[in-house]
Amino acid sequence: NAGVTQTPKFRVLKTGQSMTLLCAQDMNHEYMYWYRQDPGMGLRLIHYSVGEGTTAKGEVPDGYNVSRLKKQNFLLGLESAAPSQTSVYFCASSTHPGGHSGNTIYFGEGSWLTVV
Amino acid sequence: AQSVSQHNHHVILSEAASLELGCNYSYGGTVNLFWYVQYPGQHLQLLLKYFSGDPLVKGIKGFEAEFIKSKFSFNLRKPSVQWSDTAEYFCAVCSTGFQKLVFGTGTRLLVSP
Repeated sequence: NAGVTQTPKFRVLKTGQSMTLLCAQDMNHEYMYWYRQDPGMGLRLIHYSVGEGTTAKGEVPDGYNVSRLKKQNFLLGLESAAPSQTSVYFCASSTHPGGHSGNTIYFGEGSWLTVV
Repeated sequence: AQSVSQHNHHVILSEAASLELGCNYSYGGTVNLFWYVQYPGQHLQLLLKYFSGDPLVKGIKGFEAEFIKSKFSFNLRKPSVQWSDTAEYFCAVCSTGFQKLVFGTGTRLLVSP
């Protein structure tokens, strides 16, 4: 799935450090999403964007910030990392909103983040 | 608010056995429904989706799902599983016009050869 690329793929952080995850898509999609995946909890939406310059909160936004300065990029920032943010992070993009009949969401390969 | 329940967290089957994974959602309006699969170490891939029409939806790799509106269910089925079907399966729902998917907690399927 070369359409959605996440960097870095693996990172270990110390509590209190900051970092940014980058998501890039080359499909000209309007909609982009950041999810976190935790055992037994499935995927939970952190933040999403419906177009360049826009962002919105998802289910679990606390402790994260996002920016969508360019249409193809969606950045997820952790200002002060906590052990509770140890997770696998997935970026996704789509041409339409989630409920649109023509929609397919494309996922990146994931970023494994450990906060110690 | 929308929610999705997958009651089977772990399923173990032998090859050639039949599979049915349950998915129930809570939302009273029109919904769009999805099943995604995540193979070990990989990203999520779409198996199938339902938007309207025939409630029996056929997807890739021999999977199918049936939308039963009266039961708020969208169960995934496969008549005969293979070892390569070992993966985690996620059901997801989105109300029409809504902007984001809500995922279930996932079901881990292990198929023994």
